[in-house]
Amino acid sequence: DSGVTQTPKHLITATGQRVTLRCSPRSGDLSVYWYQQSLDQGLQFLIQYYNGEERAKGNILERFSAQQFPDLHSELNLSSLELGDSALYFCASSPGELGRTGELFFGEGSRLTVL
Amino acid sequence: GNSVTQMEGPVTLSEEAFLTINCTYTATGYPSLFWYVQYPGEGLQLLLKATKADDKGSNKGFEATYRKETTSFHLEKGSVQVSDSAVYFCALGGGANNLFFGTGTRLTVIP
Repeated sequence: DSGVTQTPKHLITATGQRVTLRCSPRSGDLSVYWYQQSLDQGLQFLIQYYNGEERAKGNILERFSAQQFPDLHSELNLSSLELGDSALYFCASSPGELGRTGELFFGEGSRLTVL
Repeated sequence: GNSVTQMEGPVTLSEEAFLTINCTYTATGYPSLFWYVQYPGEGLQLLLKATKADDKGSNKGFEATYRKETTSFHLEKGSVQVSDSAVYFCALGGGANNLFFGTGTRLTVIP
């Protein structure tokens, strides 16, 4: 158990809908990262927050947004969903900035299926 | 830019066979390199790392050496077990705030 909690574990929805994925980082971790894992694209970095502030942005679509709240949990909002958004979405946390340690603690992921 | 190229899978081996999963990278400077493992139904977890050239990372019988001259970080294990069946990801440190992951290599070990 990594200590990172993601909900929901599975989600099935229709095209055009909006969903929210939630992540609680390990106790004491200030950084939260979101990754998208799809069959053909591997693991893609979406966005990172540190202590409530956005710190880095990857290949995140404009239809997607995220935030980190004062209690350090984070939410990833996906809107106007398309079939291609079906994927496993991972949240990861680390105590601070990654630096050279590179150790991220991953949750078990939220599997999104868009029909 | 930074990128990681990883050996395509899937890889199927018999128990006690030798394992190599190739990983090469492109990066500016001298990034840290990592191998993460994803067991079925779980999130990724750090397997081993190396932070500078010629460093060897090792854990659970797995090893990888940071080779600057060949820009490689191949994962090896002398004798795989059924419990090693998982997806293995090579990753490159992208500075303070990101890791660049390879596409993953699925390993299946059969008894």
